[in-house]
Amino acid sequence: GIQVEQSPPDLILQEGANSTLRCNFSDSVNNLQWFHQNPWGQLINLFYIPSGTKQNGRLSATTVATERYSLLYISSSQTTDSGVYFCAPDSGGYQKVTFGTGTKLQVIP
Amino acid sequence: GAVVSQHPSWVICKSGTSVKIECRSLDFQATTMFWYRQFPKQSLMLMATSNEGSKATYEQGVEKDKFLINHASLTLSTLTVTSAHPEDSSFYICSASEMGLYNEQFFGPGTRLTVL
Repeated sequence: GIQVEQSPPDLILQEGANSTLRCNFSDSVNNLQWFHQNPWGQLINLFYIPSGTKQNGRLSATTVATERYSLLYISSSQTTDSGVYFCAPDSGGYQKVTFGTGTKLQVIP
Repeated sequence: GAVVSQHPSWVICKSGTSVKIECRSLDFQATTMFWYRQFPKQSLMLMATSNEGSKATYEQGVEKDKFLINHASLTLSTLTVTSAHPEDSSFYICSASEMGLYNEQFFGPGTRLTVL
């Protein structure tokens, strides 16, 4: 099956800093989602981005499907951005996705 | 956005008992629902795919007789952990998507199961 690696595994930022999270995947994909898992475990949809670039406020994402990677940009980070970020490309089956290894982000004041 | 609920949010049970977890799509019809399991500090692992009106498809290594899944309507899927044991303790999360290929998945808030 598809392999999904995220980097870095852990990241500590000072509030206000910017960061880039990376997601590499081993096979071609038809869709890719980014999620933020908050400290209570809830997964929050950030982007549905099979290709191209999207922006939503301080967050933006870019997927280059031909090169098998996706990037999540966080600008002007806030303490509420803390949590784990997962990318999840589809894994070839009907609507199934495979979750990446995750990036744990801690934003300190 | 699409809302998925899960009930209960946490449950503690004795070893040997069965526990049922409900997953509901509140504002859309979910032809497909998914059940995941997450261990502490780990990623989500897909357990099974549930399609309305048909049998669930289980991932390799998941015991279908232990984790019973029913998708009786377009808004409800249930996961029953039968004869639970301490090793079944985990965070269980469901997701749902609307009809169509490669649609966005929306996740419930999760159920934390502790088996004593």
